[in-house]
Amino acid sequence: ILNVEQSPQSLHVQEGDSTNFTCSFPSSNFYALHWYRWETAKSPEALFVMTLNGDEKKKGRISATLNTKEGYSYLYIKGSQPEDSATYLCASDLGSGGSNYKLTFGKGTLLTVNP
Amino acid sequence: GAVVSQHPSWVICKSGTSVKIECRSLDFQATTMFWYRQFPKQSLMLMATSNEGSKATYEQGVEKDKFLINHASLTLSTLTVTSAHPEDSSFYICSALGLDADEQYFGPGTRLTVT
Repeated sequence: ILNVEQSPQSLHVQEGDSTNFTCSFPSSNFYALHWYRWETAKSPEALFVMTLNGDEKKKGRISATLNTKEGYSYLYIKGSQPEDSATYLCASDLGSGGSNYKLTFGKGTLLTVNP
Repeated sequence: GAVVSQHPSWVICKSGTSVKIECRSLDFQATTMFWYRQFPKQSLMLMATSNEGSKATYEQGVEKDKFLINHASLTLSTLTVTSAHPEDSSFYICSALGLDADEQYFGPGTRLTVT
């Protein structure tokens, strides 16, 4: 994998459903993986930054896992609410031994939660 | 905390004119800021890294004479698109590196349309 890929591109779920999406990234020279939540007309909001293989992070109903050996991360949302509707971006920091602060972004997953 | 603003939020200009976009960290000092742009249906792409008091570092393929970056204070970086052309129409977004250097905080972006 040369680029950061996110799937699916878009997703419609019903309120209360749990959902998850995927971020694939190059596993070589990996330093960190970032997840952002981006609502229309607002600033992208940092959700998680993960660095270690096997990392799992949680913030409320949202959680994320990281597999650096195979180059993927999953973002999970439990009991989706309409206010979760946003584009979820992942970005890799390929700084190897330390962050070079240069983030390579995927195109995002657009989540729409229907009431 | 960690709020970044951008001004203007949208701008329309005529071909051949120059446009300045401001990026401010409102409640923290940022020695390093980043400028990204996003074309329709594409991912955020890093254009340049802006360091306070020194010259910006541009990514490959980004013309430094066309996209002038000034980071004269710890809370303000500006991007000037000189002699803008319709192909420069894009969404420009900045971020500022947080105090712990672990996270980038994004502004809400600027939509530039060149007619």
